[in-house]
Amino acid sequence: QVQLVQSGAEVKKPGASVKVSCKASGYTFTNYPIHWVRQAPGQRLEWMGFISAGRGDTKYSQRFQGRVTITRDTSASTAYMELTSLRSDDTTVYYCARLGPTGWFDPWGQGTLVTVSS
Amino acid sequence: AIQLTQSPSSLSASVGDRVTITCRASQGISSALAWYQQKPGKAPKLLIYDASSLESGVPSRFSGSGSGTDFTLTISSLQPEDFATYYCQQFSTYPITFGQGTRLEIK
Repeated sequence: QVQLVQSGAEVKKPGASVKVSCKASGYTFTNYPIHWVRQAPGQRLEWMGFISAGRGDTKYSQRFQGRVTITRDTSASTAYMELTSLRSDDTTVYYCARLGPTGWFDPWGQGTLVTVSS
Repeated sequence: AIQLTQSPSSLSASVGDRVTITCRASQGISSALAWYQQKPGKAPKLLIYDASSLESGVPSRFSGSGSGTDFTLTISSLQPEDFATYYCQQFSTYPITFGQGTRLEIK
């Protein structure tokens, strides 16, 4: 079945960087974009950006422009989201999601908790 | 950015009830709206896309309607597994945005 599996939880210090992976299976990876969304506890979902898994084109939310980089490795069917200059308010769960055949997010990865603490 | 405002923010209902959640966009988005269900500790799950299309495998008690700025998600007869948080999402223009969520609780 179509599945996205993300890397495990991370603990980082303020100012550091984190790179979260999202491995796809059950479909042709290069056919569908991968988006990244984050969700702080009790907060609404927040879109960060996406990558066209085939061509590698990217688009980022202005809110994260300059701090986020989304890449992919087609040979590994894996997308990556790197966030730099981490702050305490970056402590949240990060999700990847495929933009599926309907043109909407399906499925989602299981989420990766990133904790930023000194 | 387009803002999405859901109402109510929380709702108590009983099994078998009919429930309606609304989502209002700050500007017209045609039918570029989806609804997701999220349970605690889990990722969101797509229920409705293009405002009114039912995602494959989603029970028919879920339905969506609306276009432009006003949208609704209706659950015709609540089941125990439906108690969760529901989010709307627009994909009319970037940045993609979500509503603040509606928490559906058991009465």
